[in-house]
Amino acid sequence: AQSVTQLGSHVSVSEGALVLLRCNYSSSVPPYLFWYVQYPNQGLQLLLKYTSAATLVKGINGFEAEFKKSETSFHLTKPSAHMSDAAEYFCAVSLYNQGGKLIFGQGTELSVKP
Amino acid sequence: EAEVAQSPRYKITEKSQAVAFWCDPISGHATLYWYRQILGQGPELLVQFQDESVVDDSQLPKDRFSAERLKGVDSTLKIQPAELGDSAMYLCASSTGQGPSYEQYFGPGTRLTVT
Repeated sequence: AQSVTQLGSHVSVSEGALVLLRCNYSSSVPPYLFWYVQYPNQGLQLLLKYTSAATLVKGINGFEAEFKKSETSFHLTKPSAHMSDAAEYFCAVSLYNQGGKLIFGQGTELSVKP
Repeated sequence: EAEVAQSPRYKITEKSQAVAFWCDPISGHATLYWYRQILGQGPELLVQFQDESVVDDSQLPKDRFSAERLKGVDSTLKIQPAELGDSAMYLCASSTGQGPSYEQYFGPGTRLTVT
């Protein structure tokens, strides 16, 4: 069965610093991979997704993620953090033969210090 | 921009009471999902509909939870009786089709507190 592990439940960075949120997946077949962002008391918004077209995926708000099959990883990065990036981030996996169901990691809360 | 609507946004209920949540997906979206998100965890799928048919309800606690999408448009999720462990955010999402290539759009959620 597929699963997602996000390393670090809390990450704190200074404004302008590099953001790196880690995600590793477990899947027996090539997965689709996603990063979502959730602001307090709101639903989830898609940041980016990997669908096997390109290993480096660019998303909204300056975020990008790189799919590394050998490391079963899909880490999320942003070169320069902004105060507005403070939120909860979720990595998720989905398989084509499971109807689109998303399986989420436990989430990483990103704090941005001024 | 079209959005997924959910109501109520917040609900407080006593244990053993019945509670219901409503979701109106984006117009034309055939696939509808209900997820439950316990505080500090990622969302977990409860039930998936394709039009009015249930596609996956393997994680739905059927002794107390029920879900319907009678006309293949809006949907209702019900809990009866509610238990303390049901306190969570209930998220509805919709997409134009099944499969991971279709983006899921999430509503703002209903936060349930059971006392």
